[in-house]
Amino acid sequence: DAGVIQSPRHEVTEMGQEVTLRCKPISGHNSLFWYRQTMMRGLELLIYFNNNVPIDDSGMPEDRFSAKMPNASFSTLKIQPSEPRDSAVYFCASTTTSLLTETQYFGPGTRLLVL
Amino acid sequence: EDKVVQSPLSLVVHEGDTVTLNCSYEVTNFRSLLWYKQEKKAPTFLFMLTSSGIEKKSGRLSSILDKKELSSILNITATQTGDSAIYLCAVVYNFNKFYFGSGTKLNVKP
Repeated sequence: DAGVIQSPRHEVTEMGQEVTLRCKPISGHNSLFWYRQTMMRGLELLIYFNNNVPIDDSGMPEDRFSAKMPNASFSTLKIQPSEPRDSAVYFCASTTTSLLTETQYFGPGTRLLVL
Repeated sequence: EDKVVQSPLSLVVHEGDTVTLNCSYEVTNFRSLLWYKQEKKAPTFLFMLTSSGIEKKSGRLSSILDKKELSSILNITATQTGDSAIYLCAVVYNFNKFYFGSGTKLNVKP
């Protein structure tokens, strides 16, 4: 199995531009999580889906952030418009159940830099 | 406010030393505590703890939860340079809330 796949691996953009991060969970996993990691704030859960339905998006920082999961094998996290403070590593993770206690398998992350 | 605190923030030891990392939490409706290891890339799962006093062990790593003290420790014996990483503690609470601590950065010198 290829594991959780994220793209792009690196993204550099200018303030105000739209950024779209993509994630393909492990086949057969039905829960997907988006995280953001910065030096200042550590690892934060942004949103998670179970069976393609958003369960908890209370971690999404503001309306500029949105996430979708149109099917079981694909999810996007969009930032529009992007700001320098959005610079971080964004991780996607998946697991087999809806329980947060199950082992989550993380993707390699997308390193985002907003200038 | 609910929170998870890890200590120390960073630690430097020599190969062969034993280290103890701490994680304390203050959350409502605690469900479980998880330990992750993060090297240069993504976190990888180590342990999940739900019951107090039961030690989880994997090789040189072990962890135990103390619900009375609202804390957990992660022990690494006979440390190796490959143990150098950030160790993250996460707590699941209120059924669907998940919060990571800021991590302990461990540096094992040869």
